[in-house]
Amino acid sequence: AQSVAQPEDQVNVAEGNPLTVKCTYSVSGNPYLFWYVQYPNRGLQFLLKYITGDNLVKGSYGFEAEFNKSQTSFHLKKPSALVSDSALYFCAVRVLGNNNDMRFGAGTRLTVKP
Amino acid sequence: EAGVTQFPSHSVIEKGQTVTLRCDPISGHDNLYWYRRVMGKEIKFLLHFVKESKQDESGMPNNRFLAERTGGTYSTLKVQPAELEDSGVYFCASSPLGGVTDTQYFGPGTRLTVL
Repeated sequence: AQSVAQPEDQVNVAEGNPLTVKCTYSVSGNPYLFWYVQYPNRGLQFLLKYITGDNLVKGSYGFEAEFNKSQTSFHLKKPSALVSDSALYFCAVRVLGNNNDMRFGAGTRLTVKP
Repeated sequence: EAGVTQFPSHSVIEKGQTVTLRCDPISGHDNLYWYRRVMGKEIKFLLHFVKESKQDESGMPNNRFLAERTGGTYSTLKVQPAELEDSGVYFCASSPLGGVTDTQYFGPGTRLTVL
């Protein structure tokens, strides 16, 4: 079975500091990994995905994520946080052969303080 | 291009009543998905349409839930009769191709509260 873990319910950072939102996964097979963000009163917005190739994936709003196969992780990062980055972040995984089952983590609430 | 829209944004009903949620996918997207997030937990897959056909409904919790997509455009998710544990946020998503690497685009969700 495939699963995703977001070990931190809440992440707090100061504006201008780097941020990391952690995600680890467990799958049998090659993972396809996604990050989504949910701003207040909005739907989930796609940030980035890892399919194959370069382990460092760049996405929207200056975010990037690094696929680490040995550590089964796909942490979301940004070099300099903005107050407007405050939102709920979800990591998700899919596996070939199980197309319809996108497994999400429980979400991490990021708060960026001025 | 308009995104995925969902109606209503909020619904508060009493146990035993019926509620129907609607999702309008991005125009031209054949694949439509329903998900649910309960009590701040993970978002869980409910079912997947390809055009008007149910491709996979393995995530539907029980037979009180009925999803339709007549004509392959918008979809409805009916809960009848609603129970307390049905409370949560119901998300709809759509994608053009449906493959494992395809990006799904989500709507804002419908927050359902069953009292």
